[in-house]
Amino acid sequence: DTAVSQTPKYLVTQMGNDKSIKCEQNLGHDTMYWYKQDSKKFLKIMFSYNNKELIINETVPNRFSPKSPDKAHLNLHINSLELGDSAVYFCASSQPGTGGVEQFFGPGTRLTVL
Amino acid sequence: SQQGEEDPQALSIQEGENATMNCSYKTSINNLQWYRQNSGRGLVHLILIRSNEREKHSGRLRVTLDTSKKSSSLLITASRAADTASYFCATDAGIQGAQKLVFGQGTRLTINP
Repeated sequence: DTAVSQTPKYLVTQMGNDKSIKCEQNLGHDTMYWYKQDSKKFLKIMFSYNNKELIINETVPNRFSPKSPDKAHLNLHINSLELGDSAVYFCASSQPGTGGVEQFFGPGTRLTVL
Repeated sequence: SQQGEEDPQALSIQEGENATMNCSYKTSINNLQWYRQNSGRGLVHLILIRSNEREKHSGRLRVTLDTSKKSSSLLITASRAADTASYFCATDAGIQGAQKLVFGQGTRLTINP
């Protein structure tokens, strides 16, 4: 009965490869996010989609391309992987509301670029 | 630039004691949230406090917000071993249609049995 799920949990790959991470939420939320957590545990937002529309696009290299086929899914494709892309990537979702709402996070995908 | 800064970076206490973590931020906020992250897991929402609120309680958690000082604190009372985790504050800058949460660096809390 997982609310926000991500696949794969671990991803080990070589520099220069292209990889994708998938995210699905079964909460019926309209908004989904991608975050990157580095080795120092610093968590930073990358992208946000609201009902399949890109809302937030932080200063992220264009090697990163999010895709939302429907509002329950937000995938992250990364081209030409670099060593610095090694991190844990978290997907999250929320339902917009006034005054702020909580976000629900997936378990994370640990990406290691060799 | 990073919005939230947390203090201390690490805290180790005995089970049963209270734990207090602080968060400072730089710009005006819509709300501030606290999250917990157990090792190797995703973040779990603990509590949200809006900019017009000063204090909020949830079980053993107490959060305060001082918008004049741009700071918040999280108090965990009667700590348990299961409270061992990293705790993050996150500020909401407020963008229509989506929340843009900016996270602090976190406080790593260890509860010793």
